[in-house]
Amino acid sequence: DTEVTQTPKHLVMGMTNKKSLKCEQHMGHRAMYWYKQKAKKPPELMFVYSYEKLSINESVPSRFSPECPNSSLLNLHLHALQPEDSALYLCASSHGFFGAGGVHETQYFGPGTRLLVL
Amino acid sequence: KQEVTQIPAALSVPEGENLVLNCSFTDSAIYNLQWFRQDPGKGLTSLLLIQSSQREQTSGRLNASLDKSSGRSTLYIAASQPGDSATYLCAVRTQGGSEKLVFGKGTKLTVNP
Repeated sequence: DTEVTQTPKHLVMGMTNKKSLKCEQHMGHRAMYWYKQKAKKPPELMFVYSYEKLSINESVPSRFSPECPNSSLLNLHLHALQPEDSALYLCASSHGFFGAGGVHETQYFGPGTRLLVL
Repeated sequence: KQEVTQIPAALSVPEGENLVLNCSFTDSAIYNLQWFRQDPGKGLTSLLLIQSSQREQTSGRLNASLDKSSGRSTLYIAASQPGDSATYLCAVRTQGGSEKLVFGKGTKLTVNP
């Protein structure tokens, strides 16, 4: 099973709302990622969790709050977002074993959550 | 700072044609390079991953090459089909142990029946 699942598929929220995006994988991967992708642009890395610890935060505004409750789950909590935060939010995972080489370094992406902030 | 460029930005070909997509990167100190496919509004599907020590990887009708010293990679698609229509993204992972991928802007491929 090489699947990364994300819920919800679509989300519309107001600027005062609080919502969460969820990501799940059961491949035993120990690295998980959040990316943001605007229309016609490549994905931009937001956060990386390695062995359930935050290892990279790409200077993301605090209105985005990641959480990794266990090795299979990754959440992104959203609060007080702006309309410009509307985008496709992608989750990915990989084995996370640096130096393992080959297929172990492949990042597997979920289908994404399409977020619209009004 | 690593920068990844993909040329062309868009490509339209008739079905059955062989084609090449190009990717270049500014810093040759990479750990690996990965090619992805993305259908409109969907997530990314990994196609091929080439380690820095490798020259090429093949999967079915796809062949990816890597010339690290010149900072270039190509994705060759043989006998293209309409189902190959998608955006193809190249991403590099830089050395130093970081899990970060740096993406190019992609090439949008249309294969016409």
